[in-house]
Order: sequence, then structure tokens, then C-alpha cells
Amino acid sequence: DAGVIQSPRHEVTEMGQEVTLRCKPISGHNSLFWYRQTMMRGLELLIYFNNNVPIDDSGMPEDRFSAKMPNASFSTLKIQPSEPRDSAVYFCASSTGHAVGTEAFFGQGTRLTVV
Amino acid sequence: DAKTTQPPSMDCAEGRAANLPCNHSTISGNEYVYWYRQIHSQGPQYIIHGLKNNETNEMASLIITEDRKSSTLILPHATLRDTAVYYCIVRVASNAGNMLTFGGGTRLMVKP
Repeated sequence: DAGVIQSPRHEVTEMGQEVTLRCKPISGHNSLFWYRQTMMRGLELLIYFNNNVPIDDSGMPEDRFSAKMPNASFSTLKIQPSEPRDSAVYFCASSTGHAVGTEAFFGQGTRLTVV
Repeated sequence: DAKTTQPPSMDCAEGRAANLPCNHSTISGNEYVYWYRQIHSQGPQYIIHGLKNNETNEMASLIITEDRKSSTLILPHATLRDTAVYYCIVRVASNAGNMLTFGGGTRLMVKP
């Protein structure tokens, strides 16, 4: 398996533009997570899906952020409009279930720079 | 989930054992101890987890004290590729699954 695949790896955009980050989880995994990493705040959980349904989005910073999972093999994280403070590395992770004992597998991340 | 405390950084000589401590004094009975690491420019990687008993896998060993208030991750023969930030995470056994709360971690530098 190729692991969790994220695209693009790097994204540079201007403030105010819409940004869409993409994630393909590991086949057979039914839990998907979006995390954000910055120097100031470290790694933060944004949203958690189970069986394509958003379970917990309490970490989504504001209404400019939205995430979807239209099917078991694809998820998007959208920022509209983007702001310079959204600059960060965004990670997607997947796991086989939501019980303790299942490890999360992380993608390589998307480095977003908003100028 | 219980809070964890880790030293911000540690050094280790290549080939020697790296012992990374973690304090989790407020851990409750149904919380597991997980360790992940993040090598520079990569996503976090699962290492090991445990509840009460010591655990060992191909990557590392996890030693949990009897009162479960602290634990130590042991890399028996550290290599340069083990240089990374190591995160100790305490997680409740619930449907929360892999909703991980990362702290600052310990930056391990393995030196030749």
C-alpha cells in the first residue's frame, strides 16, 4: 500500500484565494483525521471522520475552514478565503477504526504558504 | 485525556540506548500511553503503545511504572535516523480513537 497520499505537497497562494487540500486514506481504513502543524501551536487536530461522517470538528478554527469526505477514498480540506495565519503544514491521517489499539498512519503533509 | 510532560530535548550517542521519559501523573485507569515520532519534514509515525505492562516491538520498548504515572520509551541501539521529535500521548479508551493530542514532545538528537 502506498500509505496516506496527500496533494499537493506544497501550495503557495495569495491571501483571499480559495485553497483545497486533498487526501487519499489507506484502503480499508474507515477513520480519517486532518491535523495542522505550526511552530507556535504544534500539531492540532482539526476534524475527525468515521465512515465518511464528520464526528468531531471542534478543532476547525473558523468558518473559513471546511472539510468533506464524499467517499471512503477521498477527503478535502478547504480554506476560503485564505489568510496568512493559515500558513502551516496540514497532515491527513487514517486508521482502521476508532478503538484504542489502532494506530494512525499519517501522510507526508501539505505545506501551505499564504502570502 | 491526561496531560503529559516531556523534556524538550535530549542527546544520545549513536549505537547507545536512548531512554525518553514521560510523566503522566494524572493518568486514569482506562488511559493508554502512546508514543509517536516525527522525523523532520515527515508526518508523525506510530511507535508503540501500552496500558499497564511493558511492551516491546521491532522499533522500541515501553516501560510503564507500576503506578502508571510515568513511562520510558527505549530505543535500544539508536541510529542517526532516529533523530526526531518523540511524542508521548495519553489517550482514553473510547470511541475517540486516534483523535490525538500532541504536546511539545522531546527532540532527540542522535550524534555520531
